[in-house]
Amino acid sequence: DIHMTQSPSSLSASVGERVTITCRASQSISRYLTWYQQKPGKAPKLLIYSASTLQTGVPSRFSGSGSGTDFTLTISRLQSEDFATYYCQQSYSTPFTFGPGAKVDIK
Amino acid sequence: EVQLVESGGGLVRPGESLRLSCAASGFTLSGYWMHWVRQVPGKGLVWVSRIRGDGGTTSYADSVKGRFTISRDNAKNTLHLQMNSLSAEDTAVYYCVRDRGSDAFDIWGQGTMVSVSS
Repeated sequence: DIHMTQSPSSLSASVGERVTITCRASQSISRYLTWYQQKPGKAPKLLIYSASTLQTGVPSRFSGSGSGTDFTLTISRLQSEDFATYYCQQSYSTPFTFGPGAKVDIK
Repeated sequence: EVQLVESGGGLVRPGESLRLSCAASGFTLSGYWMHWVRQVPGKGLVWVSRIRGDGGTTSYADSVKGRFTISRDNAKNTLHLQMNSLSAEDTAVYYCVRDRGSDAFDIWGQGTMVSVSS
């Protein structure tokens, strides 16, 4: 199975700050990497797929990059509604695996 | 409105069975791979199973293989997950999920809670 890690596991940031979350795969997954946002008590929401393609309706302050084993999710200017937990997921091979999550909260 | 609504969760004893259902609306189920993903409250996401649009191909996580069966009734726009020999480790919220392609999950249900306890 492909193991996914994320860093940091949590961070505190202020509105307007730039935030970067890293995701690493235990082997190359090309660009088969997806990012989700989850708020407490809610289902996850798709943000970015194929490493860098923004899902329709997702604000352009979200961006993704990377290929192979190393990927990043960047929020250019954090907004109040962005405080949430972010998960990466590989879809290179089954079983599809998720990272442990990165919680972004208010400084 | 594109929507997925799960049902069938509940409290069962170890060794018992449960069948989850997921009703799709606003789109034609047959055109999409569908998945089940679970999450222990307060913990991370775990992929459980997937099924191709025509039902011809299925895959499972090792932790549920041989115990869970995913199926679909495209005529009724419904997805199912038959769960047998349940154990405490299966306790979680189960999400029905649509695959937009590239195995990225764009539509999620609200989730249904499965609790396994004696």
